[in-house]
Amino acid sequence: GENVEQHPSTLSVQEGDSAVIKCTYSDSASNYFPWYKQELGKRPQLIIDIRSNVGEKKDQRIAVTLNKTAKHFSLHITETQPEDSAVYFCAANAPFGNEKLTFGTGTRLTIIP
Amino acid sequence: KAGVTQTPRYLIKTRGQQVTLSCSPISGHRSVSWYQQTPGQGLQFLFEYFSETQRNKGNFPGRFSGRQFSNSRSEMNVSTLELGDSALYLCASSAGQGTDTQYFGPGTRLTVL
Repeated sequence: GENVEQHPSTLSVQEGDSAVIKCTYSDSASNYFPWYKQELGKRPQLIIDIRSNVGEKKDQRIAVTLNKTAKHFSLHITETQPEDSAVYFCAANAPFGNEKLTFGTGTRLTIIP
Repeated sequence: KAGVTQTPRYLIKTRGQQVTLSCSPISGHRSVSWYQQTPGQGLQFLFEYFSETQRNKGNFPGRFSGRQFSNSRSEMNVSTLELGDSALYLCASSAGQGTDTQYFGPGTRLTVL
């Protein structure tokens, strides 16, 4: 089955700097890669996603890049703010109309004021 | 549209008991997936239901089961509870086409004593 690895497990950045989280996946047939943000005691919330027919997607301060050849995708957060502090999860779907998401182990991002 | 809802939000049970958790998806969504979240194992896929049929299953023992009703509401059941079943159980709903966004509910926090 699919395996998703996520790095780093913890990340601290100064407010205003950029943060990058990287994930690799194993199944070349996976075609959907969402990123979720989970604040303490709350549900995971989708912040951005990318499908395999696109190499990059941006939404304000957040961007995701996908390299299908290397089977990795990354989350980029620019101009970080204290409210960006949370745990971030990457995920990859199982292909062929399959809703199963395999999640990475999460990155705890701390923004230092 | 109203978001995904889950009941109850908190449960305390003892070993050997059974428990039923409920999930109401976003209106119009036909797919409901269940995930177990623990500090040690992260987010793990349990199973997915689409149009009242279990379409996909994760690697959990048969004590974990589920069902979906004609209105797309879903329940999951855990029998013969073990201490290790203590976790946050999250459900997610989507339109069910494999690359559709999955929206998570707030989760049910299950504690097994």
